[in-house]
Amino acid sequence: SYELTQPLSVSVALGQTARITCGGNNIGYKNVHWFQQKPGQAPVLVIYRDTNRPSGVPERFSGSNSGNTATLTISRAQAGDEADYYCQVWDSHVVFGGGTKLTVL
Amino acid sequence: EVQLVGSGGGLVQPGGSLRLSCAASGFDFSSYWMHWVRQAPGKGLLWVSRINGDGTTITYADSVKGRFTISRDNAKNTLYLQMNSLRAEDTAVYYCAREDSAVVTLDYWDQGTLVTVSS
Repeated sequence: SYELTQPLSVSVALGQTARITCGGNNIGYKNVHWFQQKPGQAPVLVIYRDTNRPSGVPERFSGSNSGNTATLTISRAQAGDEADYYCQVWDSHVVFGGGTKLTVL
Repeated sequence: EVQLVGSGGGLVQPGGSLRLSCAASGFDFSSYWMHWVRQAPGKGLLWVSRINGDGTTITYADSVKGRFTISRDNAKNTLYLQMNSLRAEDTAVYYCAREDSAVVTLDYWDQGTLVTVSS
């Protein structure tokens, strides 16, 4: 079955740029989606089909996907961006990465 | 406004059964695939099951196949998950989620329902 690999944690200084990676075999050929989950809350879609932002998601959130790595980039990180982030693809069914805890210092 | 409201969670003994419900509103429920996703305490998201709009196409994760049954009642705009032969490792928050064909992923989720399997 298809596996997605994410770093357990990423730290970023307030106002700087955070990059969260999602590794998978030839993931560049798949559509990658990203979810944000804050403690005690349901996941929220922040990027779909590699680079697209749902309505209401700040422009600070962007995505890219090529080769064996997809990346979620959060520019000008804010305290409110602290959360767990999950990448997701389809491979006969829904597959999630293990999640990355983003800490804003 | 799209809304998904889950219910039916609780404490159940190992080997027991529970049925979760997810009431949908604000969209044409029968036109959408629906999913169940779970999250064990302190762990990541794990996909459980999926059902198409008219209930004729269903898939399950291997970990629940033969024990869980997904279904829907489009007249009541409600999604269900019947869980039998529950195990301690099924303890999790269970989310229902809508799949949108335009974004090709799960665009709306309910608040989650906690299921605890323990004696």
